[in-house]
Amino acid sequence: EAGVTQFPSHSVIEKGQTVTLRCDPISGHDNLYWYRRVMGKEIKFLLHFVKESKQDESGMPNNRFLAERTGGTYSTLKVQPAELEDSGVYFCASSQVPGATNEKLFFGSGTQLSVL
Amino acid sequence: AQSVTQPDIHITVSEGASLELRCNYSYGATPYLFWYVQSPGQGLQLLLKYFSGDTLVQGIKGFEAEFKRSQSSFNLRKPSVHWSDAAEYFCAVGFTDKLIFGTGTRLQVFP
Repeated sequence: EAGVTQFPSHSVIEKGQTVTLRCDPISGHDNLYWYRRVMGKEIKFLLHFVKESKQDESGMPNNRFLAERTGGTYSTLKVQPAELEDSGVYFCASSQVPGATNEKLFFGSGTQLSVL
Repeated sequence: AQSVTQPDIHITVSEGASLELRCNYSYGATPYLFWYVQSPGQGLQLLLKYFSGDTLVQGIKGFEAEFKRSQSSFNLRKPSVHWSDAAEYFCAVGFTDKLIFGTGTRLQVFP
């Protein structure tokens, strides 16, 4: 069974450009999460999809970030326009069930975004 | 507010030595606690979890962790480290439907 897939694995862009990150969850997983780790800091929650609906987007930094999950399958996270402080590793995770006790949460290997 | 503190940014040990990675949390109720590991090029992998019951929990790869409510701690231990344990380790607390992570501890293992 394939795991959570993210691409690209690395992206280097200039300030002001647009970047789109993609996450393919494990098949059948209704719950999809985005997290971000800015260098040297903690991994922070960005948002949570249940199927195609945004369940919780309280962690989204600002309106330059747009997450979508059309059809409830893969998800994209677009940053437009990118700023220097957006650099970091963006992780995606998926699970069949939600909840703070969820031990069946599977993470992708992340997208390293560098904004120059 | 909920938070997790990992005071050690970087730890270096010799192969075969024992290991303890520290984690302190701030949470108003009974916490759901996790340790994850990220090896180079890999995603985060769950090592172990504590929800309730026995405060000493066993995980994969020979790791264990002890929940101490009085100290708000959930330290990760391994009696004998292997070179393949070199990775970054994250402590986390579950809150509603999300995880709150610490800043991570990078473990380096010398032969």
